[in-house]
Amino acid sequence: EAQVTQNPRYLITVTGKKLTVTCSQNMNHEYMSWYRQDPGLGLRQIYYSMNVEVTDKGDVPEGYKVSRKEKRNFPLILESPSPNQTSLYFCASSRTGTSGGYTFGSGTRLTVV
Amino acid sequence: AQSVTQLGSHVSVSEGALVLLRCNYSSSVPPYLFWYVQYPNQGLQLLLKYTTGATLVKGINGFEAEFKKSETSFHLTKPSAHMSDAAEYFCAVSERGGSNYKLTFGKGTLLTVNP
Repeated sequence: EAQVTQNPRYLITVTGKKLTVTCSQNMNHEYMSWYRQDPGLGLRQIYYSMNVEVTDKGDVPEGYKVSRKEKRNFPLILESPSPNQTSLYFCASSRTGTSGGYTFGSGTRLTVV
Repeated sequence: AQSVTQLGSHVSVSEGALVLLRCNYSSSVPPYLFWYVQYPNQGLQLLLKYTTGATLVKGINGFEAEFKKSETSFHLTKPSAHMSDAAEYFCAVSERGGSNYKLTFGKGTLLTVNP
């Protein structure tokens, strides 16, 4: 089954404790992206990657890092999480070319206390 | 920069009634247009999209949307609402030929269906 898999689904952590949210896709998509979803704000892009070793900032990149060492994986790293990063995070992938739309993962609900 | 406006953060309809969710975009060139649905505790699922060609687009679950260039709109409709349609709906746009295949989302419309 074609899918984007995120882990974990739920995570509660403390301020300053480094964490990684993993994302993996099995569709051989070149393009991958991370979004955060907050009530009343919709989804906002954090980072994206056009292909292996090619990443760039989205609209809200502060406090986040990413890497793309393999085509299928695109982890999101919070080196020193803060409470304002409490949010619902989605990973998505797509073939290059925007007409296809994204395939989304099921989301990771992160709470930073 | 592109922007998407969804009129009404919350729409409530009766079962069997018409569903109309409004979406307007701001872009100098008509973008690619999408509607996504999000059921509780799930990711986003593509309902339909407009890229080129016929301006009335049919999607899954009986939904359709019409691209109106003159009105910069892409409203989502369904003739008869079902209880299972209760979810949050997001309109999104993507720039044609853009260097970042970014989707810009509206803030979402929560659809409630009353029995």
